[in-house]
Amino acid sequence: DTAVSQTPKYLVTQMGNDKSIKCEQNLGHDTMYWYKQDSKKFLKIMFSYNNKELIINETVPNRFSPKSPDKAHLNLHINSLELGDSAVYFCASSPGGAGYNEQFFGPGTRLTVL
Amino acid sequence: QQPVQSPQAVILREGEDAVINCSSSKALYSVHWYRQKHGEAPVFLMILLKGGEQKGHDKISASFNEKKQQSSLYLTASQLSYSGTYFCGTVSVFGNEKLTFGTGTRLTIIP
Repeated sequence: DTAVSQTPKYLVTQMGNDKSIKCEQNLGHDTMYWYKQDSKKFLKIMFSYNNKELIINETVPNRFSPKSPDKAHLNLHINSLELGDSAVYFCASSPGGAGYNEQFFGPGTRLTVL
Repeated sequence: QQPVQSPQAVILREGEDAVINCSSSKALYSVHWYRQKHGEAPVFLMILLKGGEQKGHDKISASFNEKKQQSSLYLTASQLSYSGTYFCGTVSVFGNEKLTFGTGTRLTIIP
């Protein structure tokens, strides 16, 4: 019954590795997002997709590549991981645009880069 | 530029009231409020759209002054369950559907 799910919940890896985080929503929403929450708890938008199309791409290093195979899934692949990538990554979804819709967040993936 | 919230942190006794402010440098279309408990995901509280409306949600309400580009969240007769970090999120008038979260306010309620 989970509305927005993410896997894995925890990810510990070495610098230089490549890793992926998966996100799925069963709410029938058209829009999905990736946010990064750093150690100071700042929540920052990274990407937004609407119906599988990229609509927001913040100034994120191109080592980060989102992929939306269908509107219920939005995955995040990270190449050549760096220490500064350590953070909690949240996936979220909303029925429409961010301006007037509530966003539903997944439980988060805590990424630790050693 | 992310919205600035004040105060950064506040400690209250159960039953006391709190006000959390959110200020943006941009013309706003909407303001959103979320609460995040430690180790959990942010949870939606309410949205205020351009028009200066005030909204209520149990003992939590909010106002939006679009001219000043500010919003305030009011927590009345706070309960232990209100503890957490509160974030405002703003979408600017000329924005591209991007929700920009504020700096956060940590609220601790003690018995």
